Amino acid sequence: KQEVTQIPAALSVPEGENLVLNCSFTDSAIYNLQWFRQDPGKGLTSLLLIQSSQREQTSGRLNASLDKSSGRSTLYIAASQPGDSATYLCAVKDFNKFYFGSGTKLNVKP
Amino acid sequence: EAGVVQSPRYKIIEKKQPVAFWCNPISGHNTLYWYLQNLGQGPELLIRYENEEAVDDSQLPKDRFSAERLKGVDSTLKIQPAELGDSAVYLCASSLEGRPTDTQYFGPGTRLTVL
Repeated sequence: KQEVTQIPAALSVPEGENLVLNCSFTDSAIYNLQWFRQDPGKGLTSLLLIQSSQREQTSGRLNASLDKSSGRSTLYIAASQPGDSATYLCAVKDFNKFYFGSGTKLNVKP
Repeated sequence: EAGVVQSPRYKIIEKKQPVAFWCNPISGHNTLYWYLQNLGQGPELLIRYENEEAVDDSQLPKDRFSAERLKGVDSTLKIQPAELGDSAVYLCASSLEGRPTDTQYFGPGTRLTVL
């Protein structure tokens, strides 16, 4: 069974700092990897989806990379803002099932 | 375009009572998912539908949980009877055709508290 781990579990940074969130998975036979954002009391919002054949995806201040062979993905957030404060979850997909990590709770201090 | 709609948003019940959650997926999305999310954890799949058919219900506790998706659109997840350990957020998600490359769109969830 696929296991997804996210480190760190929580992170607090001052506004303006660049930061990296980490995700690792145990089985490299994946179709894609997706990063989600979850605000308190709300559902998940998709940020970036990387297909298994891709190495990275970018959207605005966000950049996600994927290294299937080592079972790792990173989410890079540039110039962090207080509005980025949320829980970030990564999920890997094998055929039709998503396996989620427990998330990294990010707090960006003004 | 309307997103995934779930109701109720919050539910508080006594243990042993029944409870039901409703989900309306994004229009045109054939695949529907129900997830359970415990505090501080990622979502865990309970059941996946392709149209009306439940194609993966291996993680659904069938002794007390049931689900249906009539006409391949809306879906209902039921718990009867509820136990204290069922307190969690129940998330519904949908995707276009359930292909490996499709992304999932999540609803806001229903937060269940069992007293």
